[in-house]
Amino acid sequence: SQTIHQWPATLVQPVGSPLSLECTVEGTSNPNLYWYRQAAGRGLQLLFYSVGIGQISSEVPQNLSASRPQDRQFILSSKKLLLSDSGFYLCAWSAMSAAIYGYTFGSGTRLTVV
Amino acid sequence: SQQGEEDPQALSIQEGENATMNCSYKTSINNLQWYRQNSGRGLVHLILIRSNEREKHSGRLRVTLDTSKKSSSLLITASRAADTASYFCATDASQSPSNYQLIWGAGTKLIIKP
Repeated sequence: SQTIHQWPATLVQPVGSPLSLECTVEGTSNPNLYWYRQAAGRGLQLLFYSVGIGQISSEVPQNLSASRPQDRQFILSSKKLLLSDSGFYLCAWSAMSAAIYGYTFGSGTRLTVV
Repeated sequence: SQQGEEDPQALSIQEGENATMNCSYKTSINNLQWYRQNSGRGLVHLILIRSNEREKHSGRLRVTLDTSKKSSSLLITASRAADTASYFCATDASQSPSNYQLIWGAGTKLIIKP
């Protein structure tokens, strides 16, 4: 069966520090991968998606970046965190079209920038 | 952008009662999905309903879709304390050039009182 792992679960980082969040998927090949951010009490904002190794699409301009070094690995990074980067970050995967098959989400990372 | 809008924003009911949440959207869709999110966790896919379907059941869940009114409802029958969570609807946009994105509402926070 397919599983998705996301870590760490919580992270407190100072302003200006770098960030690296990692997500891996097991049990499937060539998944579509996504990074979402969720503000408190709000819906989800798509940050990045990837349909293959090295293929990254960005949905919002920001100081975050994403990389997909391997088929089932998706990394969210920042060189210098801002206070506004605080939030709940969710990794997800879908088979082919998310509109048809839906997403499977990781358990999320609570990032607090101080 | 947020296409789906759930209402109510919050709902508190007694255990055993039925809970109904609604979702409205603005543009034509191919599918509509409902997800559940327990506090501080990732989202779990509940059910997908296609634009040519009017009603769908899954256990204690019943989803309806009215494309003429651009709205959907999620009914949870015989609610349990474990149903306490936030519930989100998500739609694709049939005119979207990409089938990778879902458009999310802000969610309904459901509290089941024992």
